[in-house]
Amino acid sequence: GAVVSQHPSWVICKSGTSVKIECRSLDFQATTMFWYRQFPKKSLMLMATSNEGSKATYEQGVEKDKFLINHASLTLSTLTVTSAHPEDSSFYICSARYGQGVNQPQHFGDGTRLSIL
Amino acid sequence: GNSVTQMEGPVTLSEEAFLTINCTYTATGYPSLFWYVQYPGEGLQLLLKATKADDKGSNKGFEATYRKETTSFHLEKGSVQVSDSAVYFCALSPPDSGYSTLTFGKGTMLLVSP
Repeated sequence: GAVVSQHPSWVICKSGTSVKIECRSLDFQATTMFWYRQFPKKSLMLMATSNEGSKATYEQGVEKDKFLINHASLTLSTLTVTSAHPEDSSFYICSARYGQGVNQPQHFGDGTRLSIL
Repeated sequence: GNSVTQMEGPVTLSEEAFLTINCTYTATGYPSLFWYVQYPGEGLQLLLKATKADDKGSNKGFEATYRKETTSFHLEKGSVQVSDSAVYFCALSPPDSGYSTLTFGKGTMLLVSP
């Protein structure tokens, strides 16, 4: 149980295009979803936290106009990298948790490798 | 602020060797502590956790003990397998935040050869 699916797993696109990454909770309702960015040989950096039906809360230094997050339903959140450039190339990972209790764990997706040419 | 420090990798071992990956943390109060594992090309999976001092988390032969006095949460396994090759992340979550806020270490790559 508690499966989180990300799509696509790998995307390559030209500089200047926008890319959308989907994060779905397959067998539970995700009241909160998280988006992380992972640089090579580095740890995960939290980008933003989103609750269903409300605006995402972005971490300091993350451009909200660059990384658009939508959490329109209890099973789907999307991250759109707008006008992507080579420096946006990275591994993006989402996680989701269910329930309102503070001790509900985060369940992670398999990540999306984004390469901007 | 909160931070997690892990030993640098890669850690290279032969199959059936003993594994230790060191992790120390800085936080106020009593955070919850976690080990996550990331297999190549995949996301993170929770390996084990401990929520209070002296707790021992264990799973799949791995274990780690929450040591408040040394602010450590070292990961150990008595006999590693090739299938254990992965990147291991130590993480903490502040008191009373549950798992909402995770601070990760940089990760330690483990390579196990037959």
